[in-house]
Amino acid sequence: DGGITQSPKYLFRKEGQNVTLSCEQNLNHDAMYWYRQDPGQGLRLIYYSQIVNDFQKGDIAEGYSVSREKKESFPLTVTSAQKNPTAFYLCASSARAANYGYTFGSGTRLTVV
Amino acid sequence: GQSLEQPSEVTAVEGAIVQINCTYQTSGFYGLSWYQQHDGGAPTFLSYNGLDGLEETGRFSSFLSRSDSYGYLLLQELQMKDSASYFCAVSPLSGYSTLTFGKGTMLLVSP
Repeated sequence: DGGITQSPKYLFRKEGQNVTLSCEQNLNHDAMYWYRQDPGQGLRLIYYSQIVNDFQKGDIAEGYSVSREKKESFPLTVTSAQKNPTAFYLCASSARAANYGYTFGSGTRLTVV
Repeated sequence: GQSLEQPSEVTAVEGAIVQINCTYQTSGFYGLSWYQQHDGGAPTFLSYNGLDGLEETGRFSSFLSRSDSYGYLLLQELQMKDSASYFCAVSPLSGYSTLTFGKGTMLLVSP
């Protein structure tokens, strides 16, 4: 079955460490996105990519980095520069137009300890 | 930029009808989408309105008025499993386009 796989589901990080969240899709979607969700908040866009080897900053890109070396993969690195990284991270993908719906992964819950 | 307003919480009983409103202010607008998210889970796409009017999908309907910058999601014959958060989202452009989401409305359905 086609879908998006995020791993790990739960991640604990010590302060000062970088950590990478995995996102893989087999839907043949061109566009991929990373959103952050905090309790009681909507989804805020971190980075997005519309094509391999190209990506754009979203509204809250500071302290994060991404790569898009393959169409299927869009990993997110949370760096030590991110001041408040504890959150629920959601990866999504879409066909040509986001209007026709994003497909989301099941998320990674990151906790800084 | 874009901003969306929706109520933070709505409560209803099984079998009832509930309407979740969404008003938006955007620099560009192409359409309004709705997503459902159960606690701790992945948001799932419910509906999209690109034109004014009502779109119906089973028990769920969504409405858009571009002139009023307003839309709503209508849930009929409520079931306990409908308890979830519901997000409206705007697409500012056609084609490849990011979505801007509202903060979500938590719907609590009681017996």
